[in-house]
Amino acid sequence: DVKVTQSSRYLVKRTGEKVFLECVQDMDHENMFWYRQDPGLGLRLIYFSYDVKMKEKGDIPEGYSVSREKKERFSLILESASTNQTSMYLCASSFQNTEAFFGQGTRLTVV
Amino acid sequence: AQSVTQLDSHVSVSEGTPVLLRCNYSSSYSPSLFWYVQHPNKGLQLLLKYTSAATLVKGINGFEAEFKKSETSFHLTKPSAHMSDAAEYFCVVSAYGNNRLAFGKGNQVVVIP
Repeated sequence: DVKVTQSSRYLVKRTGEKVFLECVQDMDHENMFWYRQDPGLGLRLIYFSYDVKMKEKGDIPEGYSVSREKKERFSLILESASTNQTSMYLCASSFQNTEAFFGQGTRLTVV
Repeated sequence: AQSVTQLDSHVSVSEGTPVLLRCNYSSSYSPSLFWYVQHPNKGLQLLLKYTSAATLVKGINGFEAEFKKSETSFHLTKPSAHMSDAAEYFCVVSAYGNNRLAFGKGNQVVVIP
C-alpha cells in the first residue's frame, strides 16, 4: 500500500514563528502536493512539485514556500506564521495524472 | 485548466434510501475523474476512479459513478445509505498531461437514522 506520512497530526505555533510541515511518501511518485482545507472552501492547492527541486505555485501560495530536495520528501514552510494560516494541511502524492494518495493531515493552530 | 462543480454543500439522507451526489467538470483534455471520501479527522480515501475505460465505475462500500461526456458529469450514487456513509465527499478531475488535481468544494453527507 502507498503510504504518505505527515510528520505531525497537531501543531500549535506562535505568530511570527517559522513553521515546517514535512511529508514523506514511499511509492516513488513524481508528483507531490500541499493542500489547505478550510470549512466551506474545500481543498485549495498551495504548491505542487513534479520532480526533485521542481515546484509550481498553486492557487494560494502567498505566505508559503516549499522544498523538495529528495523525491520522497516534500516540505511546506510558513516563513512567518500568521493566525489566518490556522488550518488543516494535507499532503498528497501521485504518479502522472492517476489518483493521489493523501496523508492524515496536520491541524495547525497559530496563536 | 480544469474545474469541478459540486452543488448542495450539505446533503441529508435517511438510512436505507439512495444517495446521489452530483459532480460536473470542465477540462480541456481527456479527464480522469475521482471521488474521495473523508471521515471526521481522517485523511482522504479514494472511493472510485474513471480513467477512460468503462463509463460505469464501481467503487468501495457499494458506491458507483457514471461518466457522461455529453453532460460533463460524474455523479456518485449508492442504492442504500448506511450510517457509516456520513462523511464529506469530494469530486476531483485531472487532465492528461496536466499533473494538477482540481477539487470540488465537497458534499457533507448526513445520514438520518
